[in-house]
Amino acid sequence: EAGVTQFPSHSVIEKGQTVTLRCDPISGHDNLYWYRRVMGKEIKFLLHFVKESKQDESGMPNNRFLAERTGGTYSTLKVQPAELEDSGVYFCASSQALGVNTEAFFGQGTRLTVV
Amino acid sequence: AQSVTQLGSHVSVSEGALVLLRCNYSSSVPPYLFWYVQYPNQGLQLLLKYTTGATLVKGINGFEAEFKKSETSFHLTKPSAHMSDAAEYFCAVSGLRGSNYKLTFGKGTLLTVNP
Repeated sequence: EAGVTQFPSHSVIEKGQTVTLRCDPISGHDNLYWYRRVMGKEIKFLLHFVKESKQDESGMPNNRFLAERTGGTYSTLKVQPAELEDSGVYFCASSQALGVNTEAFFGQGTRLTVV
Repeated sequence: AQSVTQLGSHVSVSEGALVLLRCNYSSSVPPYLFWYVQYPNQGLQLLLKYTTGATLVKGINGFEAEFKKSETSFHLTKPSAHMSDAAEYFCAVSGLRGSNYKLTFGKGTLLTVNP
C-alpha cells in the first residue's frame, strides 16, 4: 500500500513567485493535515481537511496560503506570493479517523526554499 | 494551550549505550503524548503514544517512554543503541482530547550513534 506522497520533494523559488505543493494521502483516508517546520523551530499545525471540507485552518499563517482538497482526494497548498519566511519543510499527513487509536501517517515533506 | 520542550537538540551516544531523550510538556487538559522519529529522507513515523492506562508505553524498535504526571515528562529510552537508531526524534502532545491531530511538537532531538 502506498504511503502519503508529497510533490515536489524540493522547491527553490524567488521571493514573490507562486509555488504549489501537492499531497496525495493514503487511499481511503478522509482526514488530511498540513504541518510546517521552519528551520530551527517546531513542526506546526497548519490545517485539517475532512474529505473536501476544511475543519480547522487555525494554523494557517496568513492569506498568502491557500489549501484545497477538491473531490476529497489529493490536496494542494499554494503560497502566493512567497516570502523569505515561508522557507521550511511542509509535511502532509493523513488518517482514517480522528481518534488517538488511529495513526496519522506522514509524508516525507516538501522542502521549500524562498530566495 | 499545549507546549513541548525537548531538552537537547543533539544527543550523541555510543553503540550499545543507553538512549535517553527528554521531553517535558505543558497541557491544559490531560495530555495524549506521542514520540515520532524521522529517518533521513523519510516522513515522520510514530514510535509510541500514551493515551490512558499504563504509564509505561512500549513502542517499535525497542523504544519505550514513561508518562510521569507529577514531573510533566514523557522521556524516551532504549536500553542499547543501534546504529540504525540515528535519526531525529520529536515529542508531541495532542491539542484536542481524543484526537490524533493538531499535534504540538517539540523542536526535535537529533540522535547520533557512534560505533
